[in-house]
Amino acid sequence: DAGVIQSPRHEVTEMGQEVTLRCKPISGHDYLFWYRQTMMRGLELLIYFNNNVPIDDSGMPEDRFSAKMPNASFSTLKIQPSEPRDSAVYFCASRTSGTSPETQYFGPGTRLLVL
Amino acid sequence: QKEVEQDPGPLSVPEGAIVSLNCTYSNSAFQYFMWYRQYSRKGPELLMYTYSSGNKEDGRFTAQVDKSSKYISLFIRDSQPSDSATYLCAMASQTGNQFYFGTGTSLTVIP
Repeated sequence: DAGVIQSPRHEVTEMGQEVTLRCKPISGHDYLFWYRQTMMRGLELLIYFNNNVPIDDSGMPEDRFSAKMPNASFSTLKIQPSEPRDSAVYFCASRTSGTSPETQYFGPGTRLLVL
Repeated sequence: QKEVEQDPGPLSVPEGAIVSLNCTYSNSAFQYFMWYRQYSRKGPELLMYTYSSGNKEDGRFTAQVDKSSKYISLFIRDSQPSDSATYLCAMASQTGNQFYFGTGTSLTVIP
């Protein structure tokens, strides 16, 4: 099993540019979660999907952030325009329904630096 | 007040020591209590979880939940250099999808 796959692993961009982060969940998993990790705030849930449908996006910081899941094997998190305060590590995680919540598997993360 | 509070450390102990990591929380609706281990530049990995209250032991690791005090702990016995990592506590309510994480405690075990 390949696990949760995220790309790119590192991204450096300039303020104002559009950034797109990608995630491929574990095959068969129907829940997908996007998190952001910073030193100050720790790991925070941004949005999660169930069966490709966004269920809770209350953690999305502002309208500059958007997430989509066009099919069961792919999701994107887009930031437009990016700002220096968006610099963080972004994690994607997935799990399957019918299992306990703790069975959530995290990807390796995308390190984003906005200059 | 944050939902979950965790001492960030850093914590540095000699090999073989007993390590105690702790978190407090404010939401009495939390039912799932988890500990994740995160190595540098990696994603978090589930280490232990407890549903509701009580203790759970797995090898050198013991997780404790005290719901009356809203306090959870992770104990590591006979700590090893390979235990050096950041430990994150996480909690969720009965519905289970909204996780609240602590900021993590950085642990270094010195050989």
